[in-house]
Amino acid sequence: EVQLVESGGDLIQPGGSLRLSCVASGFIVSSNYMSWVRQAPGQGLEWVSVYYSEDSGGSTYYADSVKGRFTVSRDDSKNILYLQMNTLRVEDTAIYYCARGKPPFPYFFDWWGQGTLVTVSS
Amino acid sequence: DIQMTQSPSSLSASGGDRVTITCQASQDISNSLNWFQQKPGKAPNLLIYDASNLETGVPSRFSGAGSGTHFTFTINSLQPEDIATYYCQQYFNVPPTFGGGTKVEI
Repeated sequence: EVQLVESGGDLIQPGGSLRLSCVASGFIVSSNYMSWVRQAPGQGLEWVSVYYSEDSGGSTYYADSVKGRFTVSRDDSKNILYLQMNTLRVEDTAIYYCARGKPPFPYFFDWWGQGTLVTVSS
Repeated sequence: DIQMTQSPSSLSASGGDRVTITCQASQDISNSLNWFQQKPGKAPNLLIYDASNLETGVPSRFSGAGSGTHFTFTINSLQPEDIATYYCQQYFNVPPTFGGGTKVEI
């Protein structure tokens, strides 16, 4: 059974750093497109970043709002996706979900984790 | 970026009613559109893919239609467990974008 479990969310001060984890089971992370999608409190959904599958080159892409501050990575031995978030801003406050992109479409999100809450506040 | 305009932002209906939500794309996205249901405190759940296909295990009272720039999502015979927020999402172009959501209440 496919399962995604995020962790690492916390209360952090503006300018701080945080690393989120997404542990996958039931499929191989490196063989799939994996995205982070966030949802600010009471708001809609915003795509944040993607890690392409190895077969598709393993490239990474980011939303303009996080480019240069966030980095997505993988640990293939542990089947985990990460999101390193630096220089955090108040507007980064959100629930962060990892989501799988159903091949061959990177942004066709068929499975989602339960999310982890990041609160950026002084 | 492709803008997805979803309407209405909220609606109230009675049990057994037919409910329709619309989603307008700012450019042609063919049928590269999915519909999600999100219940409070939960992750989005895929209901309809490729504009009109029912995801496995989803009740047949849910349906979707449209292509190009105009799409609709319908719940036939609204049930109490359908109380949720519904989102459309295009995956035709990067970045993928979502509609603003429709909160359905009874």
